[in-house]
Amino acid sequence: AQKVTQAQTEISVVEKEDVTLDCVYETRDTTYYLFWYKQPPSGELVFLIRRNSFDEQNEISGRYSWNFQKSTSSFNFTITASQVVDSAVYFCALSEAFDAGNMLTFGGGTRLMVKP
Amino acid sequence: AAGVIQSPRHLIKEKRETATLKCYPIPRHDTVYWYQQGPGQDPQFLISFYEKMQSDKGSIPDRFSAQQFSDYHSELNMSSLELGDSALYFCASSLLPDSVDTQYFGPGTRLTVL
Repeated sequence: AQKVTQAQTEISVVEKEDVTLDCVYETRDTTYYLFWYKQPPSGELVFLIRRNSFDEQNEISGRYSWNFQKSTSSFNFTITASQVVDSAVYFCALSEAFDAGNMLTFGGGTRLMVKP
Repeated sequence: AAGVIQSPRHLIKEKRETATLKCYPIPRHDTVYWYQQGPGQDPQFLISFYEKMQSDKGSIPDRFSAQQFSDYHSELNMSSLELGDSALYFCASSLLPDSVDTQYFGPGTRLTVL
């Protein structure tokens, strides 16, 4: 069975600090997909990134970067120079390629609070 | 770009009543997913449909049913509502060729059962 663990339930930083959100996953499939979603206080779930298990290249998008390491089953997310607008709950999620319905299994989420 | 539409956005019901939540996927998306997010929890998968057929089932109570219609919109029907059904219900859609595609979520329907 697939499982996603986000050990940090809450992180508080001051604006302009860098912050890394950890995500560790478990799956028996060799082909799978990892996602990060952002849930701001307004409640919607915003897609940030999708990674497949064959692509271990790190990715950078503006102030966001992701570090995927299969050897440690981790898919960590770093925000550089954090801003107040980054305050949200961030979810890491996993989908197994051979799951008929391609359901997402979410981690418990990390609440990030960025203070001015 | 068009997003997933959910209606209503907020719904208040009494115990034992019924509720119907609607979801309109992104145009050309053929797969719809329903998730339930309780207060302070992560979203939990309920059910999904691909080309109007149920494709997967998660922790959906027997009191709930869902279907996808010919225009690809989906409805989640909830009967005999309980206090514990109070949650944020998300619909997501994707375009599902032969591999996993990204699920894009709607804004959610917040259901409160009194």
